[in-house]
Amino acid sequence: QSALTQEASVSGTVGQKVTLSCTGNSNNIGSYAVGWYQQISHGAPKTVMFGNSLPSGIPDRFSGSKSGTTASLNISGLQPEDEADYYCSTWDYSLSAQVFGGGTKLTVL
Amino acid sequence: QVQLVQSGAEVKKPGSSVKVSCKASGGSFSSYTVTWVRQAPGQGLEWMGGIFPIFRTTNYAQKFQGRLTITTDESTSTVYMDLRSLRSEDTAVYYCARGVGVPAATFDYWGQGSLVTVSS
Repeated sequence: QSALTQEASVSGTVGQKVTLSCTGNSNNIGSYAVGWYQQISHGAPKTVMFGNSLPSGIPDRFSGSKSGTTASLNISGLQPEDEADYYCSTWDYSLSAQVFGGGTKLTVL
Repeated sequence: QVQLVQSGAEVKKPGSSVKVSCKASGGSFSSYTVTWVRQAPGQGLEWMGGIFPIFRTTNYAQKFQGRLTITTDESTSTVYMDLRSLRSEDTAVYYCARGVGVPAATFDYWGQGSLVTVSS
């Protein structure tokens, strides 16, 4: 049971906009920045958003937002290369631990 | 460009230990947390613990308390993850990541991963 809840799977067509969500509580998402990590074919995770920052080299089709205890990763103009597993993560002060979501498998149709 | 380069794959016997290294280059080392995350076959990402090199402070997931030690060698900008009393369930890919903020709620750079296989 993950501390953060993500959709198991999301799909979209090329060019579409999709939103991945990550739900936690006041001890984690409600208090800290959230990171989003892309993992393609079980390779090393790659950061696509950390807090409000877009890492160098990540297209601006990716954007992040947070409202209360839910964070969202928005991908506009979906591309075939966006097909991957996406994990959200942040710190939880009541657990004194980093927590991850279970991951969302994004399929580009 | 920041790079985190990890040591290679290891095969270990149950009950033994493994030490995985993560060498940083291209950016500040001491002022960022370095975290270890693992991924068992077919599973999600699991946080293990981290170290803040400038203060040499560590924190560990409760699950690994007593079995895990994370250390740093500032002279070589390298962080080490030492996991003892290995069992088959420890078979996983181990990743290091550079944390942003204190506590490091998010990560900006990741290592390439080190596969550790525990098998008799």
